[in-house]
Amino acid sequence: GAVVSQHPSWVICKSGTSVKIECRSLDFQATTMFWYRQFPKQSLMLMATSNEGSKATYEQGVEKDKFLINHASLTLSTLTVTSAHPEDSSFYICSARDRGGRRTGELFFGEGSRLTVL
Amino acid sequence: GENVEQHPSTLSVQEGDSAVIKCTYSDSASNYFPWYKQELGKRPQLIIDIRSNVGEKKDQRIAVTLNKTAKHFSLHITETQPEDSAVYFCAASTQAGKSTFGDGTTLTVKP
Repeated sequence: GAVVSQHPSWVICKSGTSVKIECRSLDFQATTMFWYRQFPKQSLMLMATSNEGSKATYEQGVEKDKFLINHASLTLSTLTVTSAHPEDSSFYICSARDRGGRRTGELFFGEGSRLTVL
Repeated sequence: GENVEQHPSTLSVQEGDSAVIKCTYSDSASNYFPWYKQELGKRPQLIIDIRSNVGEKKDQRIAVTLNKTAKHFSLHITETQPEDSAVYFCAASTQAGKSTFGDGTTLTVKP
């Protein structure tokens, strides 16, 4: 099956610094990737849709200048949390659709990245 | 936009019993309904899915039913085992792949 790799799996940073999270589709091309945030004991909340070669589409309430998304190739999307604060501490997960896949709508998830901001 | 409601939020069953989790959705354009199992700190794992042109699907102990008219779908797990204990999420997805998730159900299977 399709594999999505996310890195790093966990990161601890100081308040005010920026953190970059990578999401890669290893064996398929992904024109669209999705970024989610999941707080403890809560559901996955879609933050933004990352489109290869164009600007990301952000969900209402998500600051685009704080959560920078770059999708420069068909296999890589990055999420940068800029000037991170403790309230940004969360589990960030990406997912991708297989551009050439026959199973419309099926998503493949990365392992997730746990961010802790001190 | 899409709104997905999931019930119950917690469910405790005895090993061997059945478990049922229900979801409703609001957007008639949604045509793909996956169910995910998520263990603590791990990524969601697809356990079964159903598309809008099908009413029921079964895979061993797991089944999903879909009522398009009523806009609800359900997950059924039979002969539950302790390793089925996890958080389960339903989702409703459009053709573009944008998914809206339910709030999750914490299933506990007691030995």
